[in-house]
Amino acid sequence: DIQMTQSPSSLSASVGDRVTITCRASQGIRNYLVWYQQKPGKVPKLLIYAASTLQSGVPSRFSGSGSGTDFTLTISSLQPEDVATYYCQQYDSAPYTFGQGTKLEIK
Amino acid sequence: EVQLVESGGGLVQPGGSLRLSCVASGFTSSSYSMSWVRQAPGKGLEWVSYISTSSSTIYYADSVKGRFTISRDDAKNSLYLQMNSLRDEDTAVYHCVSGPVQYYFDFWGQGTLVTVSS
Repeated sequence: DIQMTQSPSSLSASVGDRVTITCRASQGIRNYLVWYQQKPGKVPKLLIYAASTLQSGVPSRFSGSGSGTDFTLTISSLQPEDVATYYCQQYDSAPYTFGQGTKLEIK
Repeated sequence: EVQLVESGGGLVQPGGSLRLSCVASGFTSSSYSMSWVRQAPGKGLEWVSYISTSSSTIYYADSVKGRFTISRDDAKNSLYLQMNSLRDEDTAVYHCVSGPVQYYFDFWGQGTLVTVSS
């Protein structure tokens, strides 16, 4: 099975900061990676698919990059509404594993 | 509007069984693969099971293989998860999920809580 490891597990940043979350796969997954945002009390929302393609309606301050085993989610200018837990998920092969999540807070 | 509505959760003793259901509306669910994803209280997301259109391909997480069975009834726009031999660690909110691409999830139900406890 492919293991997905996110870092950091949590982070605190100021409004306007550039924020980067990383996700590493235990083996190559090409670009078959998505990112979700889960706000408190809500279901996850799809942000990015195919590692770098922004889902319709997602603000352009979000971006994704990477291929193979190493991936990043970047928020170019953190906004208060971005407080959430972010998850990566690989869909290269079953089981379609998630990372453990990164909890993002405002400093 | 796309809707996925789960039901069937509840309190069950270890070793017991439950059957979860999910009714889809607002899209042609028979044309979409579907999955179950769970989230234990205060924990992260865990993919549980996948079923393709026409039920031709089915996958399970190792943690539930041999105990859970996924199925669908396209005439009823419904997805099911039969859960047997339940364990404490199966306690979670179970979400029915789907989307235009097979293996990741644009559509999420609000979930149904399964609590396994004596």
